[in-house]
Amino acid sequence: QQQVKQSPQSLIVQKGGISIINCAYENTAFDYFPWYQQFPGKGPALLIAIRPDVSEKKEGRFTISFNKSAKQFSLHIMDSQPGDSATYFCAAAMNTGFQKLVFGTGTRLLVSP
Amino acid sequence: DAGVTQSPTHLIKTRGQQVTLRCSPKSGHDTVSWYQQALGQGPQFIFQYYEEEERQRGNFPDRFSGHQFPNYSSELNVNALLLGDSALYLCASSLAGAINEQFFGPGTRLTVL
Repeated sequence: QQQVKQSPQSLIVQKGGISIINCAYENTAFDYFPWYQQFPGKGPALLIAIRPDVSEKKEGRFTISFNKSAKQFSLHIMDSQPGDSATYFCAAAMNTGFQKLVFGTGTRLLVSP
Repeated sequence: DAGVTQSPTHLIKTRGQQVTLRCSPKSGHDTVSWYQQALGQGPQFIFQYYEEEERQRGNFPDRFSGHQFPNYSSELNVNALLLGDSALYLCASSLAGAINEQFFGPGTRLTVL
């Protein structure tokens, strides 16, 4: 019940295209859903996050869509660029005061020039 | 403003040895979490420290222990190293009592031979 399932495992998108990564969770106590971007040799960096009281959040080219009833959320990267090539992780956490992030398995995105 | 720093960057140990990894949180942060990231996987929560006490613990054996110092920096100790302990060890800092993003350091790459 603590798992977060992420798909696809890898994704190739042409420059200018839309990249879509999906995640699903079981634990309805989760109420914070961040996405992290990780480049080789670096730690994960927070991209964007959403709470379940909204269905969508947009920051620049990055959008999170959230479906509370389906217990699913997704990351959309519009106008994908070669510099977006990285591994993306979805995560979830409960509002316990002490955050413990539960991560998905990651999606390796390659944006071809 | 320095972000989260970790040392050392890389470490090679042999089975049965002990290792200590160090983390300095982002300025103003008082909570430190440790994660283990195996190759090709998402980070797995090890434990979290606040006010020099372990507040939460993931599914890791007692060989994994930690400490937080009065200046909020933290150490992760692993005893009796196994081959399976080879991973990237990530430290993340945050503010306790607030649902806020966790900032990750670059990690320490541990190789156990």
